[in-house]
Amino acid sequence: GAGVSQSPSNKVTEKGKDVELRCDPISGHTALYWYRQSLGQGLEFLIYFQGNSAPDKSGLPSDRFSAERTGGSVSTLTIQRTQQEDSAVYLCASSRDRGVYNEQFFGPGTRLTVL
Amino acid sequence: QQQVKQSPQSLIVQKGGIPIINCAYENTAFDYFPWYQQFPGKGPALLIAIRPDVSEKKEGRFTISFNKSAKQFSLHIMDSQPGDSATYFCAASGGSNYKLTFGKGTLLTVNP
Repeated sequence: GAGVSQSPSNKVTEKGKDVELRCDPISGHTALYWYRQSLGQGLEFLIYFQGNSAPDKSGLPSDRFSAERTGGSVSTLTIQRTQQEDSAVYLCASSRDRGVYNEQFFGPGTRLTVL
Repeated sequence: QQQVKQSPQSLIVQKGGIPIINCAYENTAFDYFPWYQQFPGKGPALLIAIRPDVSEKKEGRFTISFNKSAKQFSLHIMDSQPGDSATYFCAASGGSNYKLTFGKGTLLTVNP
């Protein structure tokens, strides 16, 4: 079946602009995660959604970052007033259910470049 | 605070060699330890994972060794091939926390 898809694959924006990144999880997966991958910091957790529960936002680096998940499926990560340090690859992952041992399947990522 | 430390940063081996990548963790609540493989331009893909109730797990040419008392785990790749050239990440999660905490990654190059 189809894997996790993300769009756009690449996004170039100017400092101060807002951007929206989209994630389509694997059908039937109830858990969805956003991570950020940058050269200096490696892979960092951003936010986690599970069903209708309140999301775990503990990894969001600032209040410029927000995410929502509509209808328990598609998720959008929004970065307001982008800064150069926001340049990174943003990865989305989904898993079948909550639970530590559920494999997280990653999408190809969105490469964000802030000029 | 880096909760999962991975070494080496990069590794070069000849085809057929056995690269070993090591990780150490601090959080004793971690009880799930996956390894991910990532090729350029792709997202990470799960390679193999272990729970602390076993000391070793093998899947094909990939083996995880786990030392709970030392809070360390490692990945061994038997009979490595040029197609194994990729970046490898160890990770950990556990307790009520489902998020993965990743090591910084190891860039593996397998020369023909």
